[in-house]
Amino acid sequence: SQQGEEDPQALSIQEGENATMNCSYKTSINNLQWYRQNSGRGLVHLILIRSNEREKHSGRLRVTLDTSKKSSSLLITASRAADTASYFCATDSIYNQGGKLIFGQGTELSVKP
Amino acid sequence: GAGVSQSPSNKVTEKGKDVELRCDPISGHTALYWYRQSLGQGLEFLIYFQGNSAPDKSGLPSDRFSAERTGGSVSTLTIQRTQQEDSAVYLCASSLRGPSGGEQFFGPGTRLTVL
Repeated sequence: SQQGEEDPQALSIQEGENATMNCSYKTSINNLQWYRQNSGRGLVHLILIRSNEREKHSGRLRVTLDTSKKSSSLLITASRAADTASYFCATDSIYNQGGKLIFGQGTELSVKP
Repeated sequence: GAGVSQSPSNKVTEKGKDVELRCDPISGHTALYWYRQSLGQGLEFLIYFQGNSAPDKSGLPSDRFSAERTGGSVSTLTIQRTQQEDSAVYLCASSLRGPSGGEQFFGPGTRLTVL
């Protein structure tokens, strides 16, 4: 069963605007990761945040984690048309051995030039 | 310094046939994962290999699915007697750090279409 739920399912914004995507999960985690997918093929790792971290930055990306609410958000600032893709959160649950990831359904982001 | 590679990139087969999908992980990565992604959906975990340990097969949807990893490197996912609901993109990932989690590096996937 899916661990994560993401919202919105789809997001359309103009270039230069910020995009915020949210992820909720059900069980306690070791870490939470965000991935990007273009054209339904391979995923690219964006950022990993551990359960004892609350915020992490990487370039134009900002990820927050609230373990009390079992939720995370991904903020992309100053979006570009090239950011158009699907974004997935994935959790490494403390109940799963081996680091296998449980993915959310994803948010489809469209950035219009 | 190649990434994870998968072959074939596309596979069209008839219902009832067997298929084999191949994954070459990044050299030195001890953990290897198979996931399946149906159209417009998130990824579904299938199976996980870590070193010489017994694989975690908890995600395999039926006994028609099996996978092996030879020599701790290349992995093959086999689907016997394919059904139309098996149509999906099959993604392989490898990771340097298995048991304690970490970033997973994904291959481009194999798009399987069962007619």
